[in-house]
Amino acid sequence: DTAVSQTPKYLVTQMGNDKSIKCEQNLGHDTMYWYKQDSKKFLKIMFSYNNKELIINETVPNRFSPKSPDKAHLNLHINSLELGDSAVYFCASSGWGHSFEQFFGPGTRLTVL
Amino acid sequence: TQLLEQSPQFLSIQEGENLTVYCNSSSVFSSLQWYRQEPGEGPVLLVTVVTGGEVKKLKRLTFQFGDARKDSSLHITAAQPGDTGLYLCAGGGADGLTFGKGTHLIIQP
Repeated sequence: DTAVSQTPKYLVTQMGNDKSIKCEQNLGHDTMYWYKQDSKKFLKIMFSYNNKELIINETVPNRFSPKSPDKAHLNLHINSLELGDSAVYFCASSGWGHSFEQFFGPGTRLTVL
Repeated sequence: TQLLEQSPQFLSIQEGENLTVYCNSSSVFSSLQWYRQEPGEGPVLLVTVVTGGEVKKLKRLTFQFGDARKDSSLHITAAQPGDTGLYLCAGGGADGLTFGKGTHLIIQP
């Protein structure tokens, strides 16, 4: 019944490693997103993606890459993890014509040691 | 780049009191949304306003969109401990959705 799900909930890893976070939505939405929430709770969009277009926030390092195997999934791959990547990452989705209303997943807390 | 400023950043009040949270911008938005986020969870949509001057009520919460569609307010009447959380406003425009930095609200019993 979960609308937007993410795995894992927690991810602890060493600097330099490569990791992935998975996201799935069962709402039939066309667009999916990845957000980063820092320690001060500021929520910043990283990517938005639908089957036509990937929009990348220009401030996101190219070590981050979204990959969408199908319309219901948008995974986030991170290469060469750095200490500053530690944050909570949220996946979200929205339907077309709904004023960008976001349905968020529960978040993945990434800690880079 | 569209920016949204929220105030206050932190607010701690007693149960039963009223409060207002503000969301301001110099940019015009096609829509504005309010979300509430509780610890360890993702933000949850509370309301969307799309028309300048629009007022929406959700039980004890009243949301208003400014006439010029540049600002919004959230008013809570008779706050309860269950209202505690991070309140985020977000504006929709050509660049997608832009979030404010949030208001941390604590309602003390």
